[in-house]
Amino acid sequence: KAGVTQTPRYLIKTRGQQVTLSCSPISGHRSVSWYQQTPGQGLQFLFEYFSETQRNKGNFPGRFSGRQFSNSRSEMNVSTLELGDSALYLCASSMDSRQGTQYFGPGTRLLVL
Amino acid sequence: AQTVTQSQPEMSVQEAETVTLSCTYDTSESNYYLFWYKQPPSRQMILVIRQEAYKQQNATENRFSVNFQKAAKSFSLKISDSQLGDTAMYFCAFMKHQKGGSEKLVFGKGTKLTVNP
Repeated sequence: KAGVTQTPRYLIKTRGQQVTLSCSPISGHRSVSWYQQTPGQGLQFLFEYFSETQRNKGNFPGRFSGRQFSNSRSEMNVSTLELGDSALYLCASSMDSRQGTQYFGPGTRLLVL
Repeated sequence: AQTVTQSQPEMSVQEAETVTLSCTYDTSESNYYLFWYKQPPSRQMILVIRQEAYKQQNATENRFSVNFQKAAKSFSLKISDSQLGDTAMYFCAFMKHQKGGSEKLVFGKGTKLTVNP
C-alpha cells in the first residue's frame, strides 16, 4: 500500500496570505489528523477528521481550518498567515484514530516571510 | 490533561551497542496507548513500536523493545545493536483510549539520538 502523501512538500508565503495544504491518507484509512511541528512548541495537534466530519480540534486560532472529502483526502487551510505559522505540518492517517496507530506523511514545510 | 516527558534531549551511542531512551507520562486514565516514533533528518515520522496499556507484556519489534512500567508511568525504549540508520529524533507519544469520538497523540519534546561509527 502507498503511504500517506502530502502536497506540496515545501511552501514559501508572505504574511497575510493564505495557504492550503493537502493530505492523501493510506488507502482504506478514514481518519486524518493534522499536527504542527515547531522547534519551540514541538508537535501539537491541530484537528482530526473522520468521514468528512471534524471530530476533534486542538487549541489553535480560527485561522486554521480543515476539511475532508468523501475519498478521505483532507486539506487544511491557514488564512492571514503570521510569521509564527512557519512550521512543518504533518498529516497522519489511521483506520480510526480510536484504535490508536497513526501513520504519518512526509510533511509540508511552510515558511512565512 | 496528559503530559509526556522525555528527560534526555540528546544521546549518543556507538554502532552495535545498546541504548535506552526514557519517557514518563502523566495521566489519570487507565486505558491508553503508548508509542515511540522516529523522525530521521528526512523529517518523515515513522512508527517504531506501540504498547497497549492493558497488556502487561512489553512490546518488541526486532531490535526495538520497550520497558513499560504502568504504575510508575514509565515507557522506555531500548535499541539493541544500534545502526547508523537509527540516527534520528525519537518521540514518545500517548493516546487515550476512547470508545466514542476520537483522540489525539500527545508527544514529548523528543530525544535526539546519534549513532557513531
